[in-house]
Parts: sequence; structure tokens; C-alpha cells
Amino acid sequence: DAKTTQPPSMDCAEGRAANLPCNHSTISGNEYVYWYRQIHSQGPQYIIHGLKNNETNEMASLIITEDRKSSTLILPHATLRDTAVYYCIVRVAMNSGYSTLTFGKGTMLLVSP
Amino acid sequence: DAGITQSPRHKVTETGTPVTLRCHQTENHRYMYWYRQDPGHGLRLIHYSYGVKDTDKGEVSDGYSVSRSKTEDFLLTLESATSSQTSVYFCAISESTGLTQETQYFGPGTRLLVL
Repeated sequence: DAKTTQPPSMDCAEGRAANLPCNHSTISGNEYVYWYRQIHSQGPQYIIHGLKNNETNEMASLIITEDRKSSTLILPHATLRDTAVYYCIVRVAMNSGYSTLTFGKGTMLLVSP
Repeated sequence: DAGITQSPRHKVTETGTPVTLRCHQTENHRYMYWYRQDPGHGLRLIHYSYGVKDTDKGEVSDGYSVSRSKTEDFLLTLESATSSQTSVYFCAISESTGLTQETQYFGPGTRLLVL
């Protein structure tokens, strides 16, 4: 099962696009990439997920490279409320044979005025 | 937001006392999870459930037990609390859409302080 690598922190100006990178070079062909975020003192919030095609929803866009070894989460117009820790995640198999998400340390995104 | 509540939201207890945290969902999702979150460690899975009375250990299960007697409730018990179990505990639920897809939705968390 794949693990992920993210920069520990990033800065972004309010109103600009925030591009958060993630490396998952050992991802296998049927593993989805998930993005969550956690605003201070709150529970993690689901943002988006994808397999190999680019995905977009009301919160963000997910760009996955053709070789699937990396992805980028794009917040098109960052606001101060987007300041949070962003997690890029793939599934990890448990002993029971069931697979679940494993959270790393994520990227702390600071959006400034 | 997914219908997930956790109780209590805050608790202070003493070393050696038993503590039970409750997670309640209104979504009728099959899978439920307990995580703990500590500075420098991110989120770590304690136990999870894949159905009523079906549970399994996660990454950091020592000192914890769980029970799920009905779909909507997942209980986490610290039989004899220790200071190392001071943490923020999150419950999550999911309804897998396939072997490789899973979207988890998280509760608001419980802050536990063991003195």
C-alpha cells in the first residue's frame, strides 16, 4: 500500500489559488487518492478523491499525473477560512483484509490577507 | 455534514479510572472508526468496526476496547485511564462503495485529559 509525502507548510495570499502537492510514488493501480483538511480544533473534513482522472467539486480540484505518482489539490480562490492542515491519503490494508485510510502529518496551509 | 455526534465533548478524569466515549451516527453507515490525535503524530487509528459486533484493532489499540451492539453506536472504553491517553479522540463513519473507495466522515471530537 502506498504512502504519501507532503510539504509541512505552505503560504497563500487570500484570493489566489492554493496548489498543494503530494507524492505517492508507490501507489498501486486501484488505489484512490483522498484529500481531507482539518481546521483547528475540528474533525477532519472530506474534500475530494480520485483515481486517475482529474476531479472537481464545489470545494476544490484534484489533478493527478498520468503516471499517478503525484497529485495536486487546487483551491481556486483561497480564503482565510481555508487555513487548515491538508492531508493527502491513500488506503492501507489492515490485518483483517479490510483497507482503511492512514493519515500522515499533512501540509499546514496558511492563507494571509 | 454527516450526522455524527460524540459524547462527552470534554472530559477530565484521574489515572486508573474507567472512561467510555460514545459515538452516535444517524446515517446508518456500516463502518465506524475511533482515532486519536496527538501533536506530532497526526491521526492514528485505534479500533474500527465493520458491522454490528464486528470490530478489529487499529494501529494503537493497546489500552482500549470497543463495542458495537447496534449500527448507530460505537463505544470506546479506556479500562484504566493513563496519562498517555490524554488526547483528542475522533469518531468517523463510512459506507464503502467498493474495495478501493471509501469516504470517511468525522465527528467533532472529544478532548480527554487524564490527570
